[in-house]
Formats: sequence, C-alpha cells, structure tokens
Amino acid sequence: GENVEQHPSTLSVQEGDSAVIKCTYSDSASNYFPWYKQELGKGPQLIIDIRSNVGEKKDQRIAVTLNKTAKHFSLHITETQPEDSAVYFCAANVLASGSSNTGKLIFGQGTTLQVKP
Amino acid sequence: NAGVTQTPKFQVLKTGQSMTLQCAQDMNHNSMYWYRQDPGMGLRLIYYSASEGTTDKGEVPNGYNVSRLNKREFSLRLESAAPSQTSVYFCASSPRAATFYNEQFFGPGTRLTVL
Repeated sequence: GENVEQHPSTLSVQEGDSAVIKCTYSDSASNYFPWYKQELGKGPQLIIDIRSNVGEKKDQRIAVTLNKTAKHFSLHITETQPEDSAVYFCAANVLASGSSNTGKLIFGQGTTLQVKP
Repeated sequence: NAGVTQTPKFQVLKTGQSMTLQCAQDMNHNSMYWYRQDPGMGLRLIYYSASEGTTDKGEVPNGYNVSRLNKREFSLRLESAAPSQTSVYFCASSPRAATFYNEQFFGPGTRLTVL
C-alpha cells in the first residue's frame, strides 16, 4: 500500500544551526507534498508545501526540495530558533482512492525537533 | 471564525463502552477527515468525507464508524471501545478533496483513554 517514511524520528540542534528532515514516498503518482508543524497540545498546521512540477520552494527560513525520480523530499530549516521546537510531519497525496474516487494524504511518522538555546 | 472544533477534549472509557466524537467546521469546507495519532506512528487516516453525502475508509477504519451529518459536521463513533483505541484523535477539513493541492485545517484534538 501507499507509504511515507520519515527520518529522523528525533533531531536536536543548537540555536542558529540548520535542521534537515527527509521523507520518501511510495506512490509515483503523488503530486502534492505538504509539511505540517505540530506544537505541544495543538493540532498540526501547514507550514509549506510543494507540487510535483517544482523542484524547490522557499519561504523565509524554511525550504522544501523534491526529487521525483528518487521519490524523496526534504524540509530544511535554517537559522533555527527555540520556537521552531515542535513535531514536524511530511505527507504525500494519494490520488483517486475510495468509492468517491477522491484522494487522501498519507503522513510520515513525525520528527521531534528540539532547538537548544 | 472558530475553524475546526472538536468535543470532548478528553475522555476516559471502559472497554466495551461506546462514544461519539464530534467535529464541526465553520469554513464552508467540502472535505473532512478523522485521524488518530499514536507515538511513533504519525497521523493515520481513519475515515474521510470528500463531500457531503460521501464517506470512505482510510488506513485504519476497523472499530470505527462515521457520519457526515451535514456540510459542517463529521462525527466518529466507537461502538465498543478497546484499549488499542487509546489515542489522540484529530478532525480536519479542507476546501476540496485531498486529490487537489489544498491545506487541511486541524482541530485541537481529543485525547481518549480506554481502560
């Protein structure tokens, strides 16, 4: 079945350093790859996404890269700050599933990022 | 706008009891979803509703039922709760189905413990 693998499961960096989280997906038809951030006690919130026709997208200190051939995509956070500490989830869409013939998102297992002051 | 709201926030059940988790959104979104979150397993889709009047199974539907009551509300029912259903449950909504490039908005979650 469809699968998204995410690594590492935990990541600890010093404030100011960069953090990289990597994901691989199994469905070659996937064409949308969002990243969500979940702060303690809250629901996940979208921080950046990328479509399959783009190789890289940047928004201030965060960037996402996509390698469709290898079915890899990554989240890069530069100049990390303590407020970046959270759980991050990658996801990939799966198209045309179910009786309604509509898609769904498959999430990775999550990465707990700790930024030490 | 309240966004996506979920009730209750916390619940403790005994094995075999039933309960319904409620979810509502005020963003006029077409699609709604139920996920469960367990340590080390990420977010797993239980059921989803691409539009009012349709529901589909996700990755882990066994032991659950859903009802898309109207465009705003999507409920999740546990008929006979089991300890394996101890989890944090999130409801989400999106303007269109997940086939398309669009954000899912999540509620604050319900923490359920089954003893």
